[in-house]
Amino acid sequence: KAGVTQTPRYLIKTRGQQVTLSCSPISGHRSVSWYQQTPGQGLQFLFEYFSETQRNKGNFPGRFSGRQFSNSRSEMNVSTLELGDSALYLCASSLGSNTEAFFGQGTRLTVV
Amino acid sequence: GENVEQHPSTLSVQEGDSAVIKCTYSDSASNYFPWYKQELGKGPQLIIDIRSNVGEKKDQRIAVTLNKTAKHFSLHITETQPEDSAVYFCAASGPGTYKYIFGTGTRLKVLA
Repeated sequence: KAGVTQTPRYLIKTRGQQVTLSCSPISGHRSVSWYQQTPGQGLQFLFEYFSETQRNKGNFPGRFSGRQFSNSRSEMNVSTLELGDSALYLCASSLGSNTEAFFGQGTRLTVV
Repeated sequence: GENVEQHPSTLSVQEGDSAVIKCTYSDSASNYFPWYKQELGKGPQLIIDIRSNVGEKKDQRIAVTLNKTAKHFSLHITETQPEDSAVYFCAASGPGTYKYIFGTGTRLKVLA
């Protein structure tokens, strides 16, 4: 059974640009969540999707957005990149609430 | 707001000794408490979890205890081995949500 796949693994972008990250959940999982991981702030919740609907959003500015497609794949977008957006972005999928969330290896975004 | 505090931030133990990591959560509605291990360059991986209707759970060398009254939960690793060296995160989640609130992580070093 394939795990959670995130692409790309690494990205370098310039301030002011925008970026799109992709996440393919485990087959059969309809829930996808996104987290930002930084050394200073740890793992911070960005948003969660279930059956194409955003159910919850963390305390991030509107520059951070996401969506989920009918096949449960998800994308997140960050517009007008800032240096502080440099982080490891992790995607997790799960079968249901309060069940194990399986994480991908993450996309490491560097903003220069 | 929702918050999970985790201590200690770093922990060094001799191989064969036990390690204990403690977490405190603020949201009394939380009912699911997973523990994740993250190795360098990888996404977090679930090692054990506990639900609010259980006080203790054990899986070989790893155990988790939960005190709902005090809103504390702890990870216990016995007979530590060098491969246990990693960063460990606790998390809390409420009913009907896929959103985890993570602790700030504990870097465990097992010295051979």
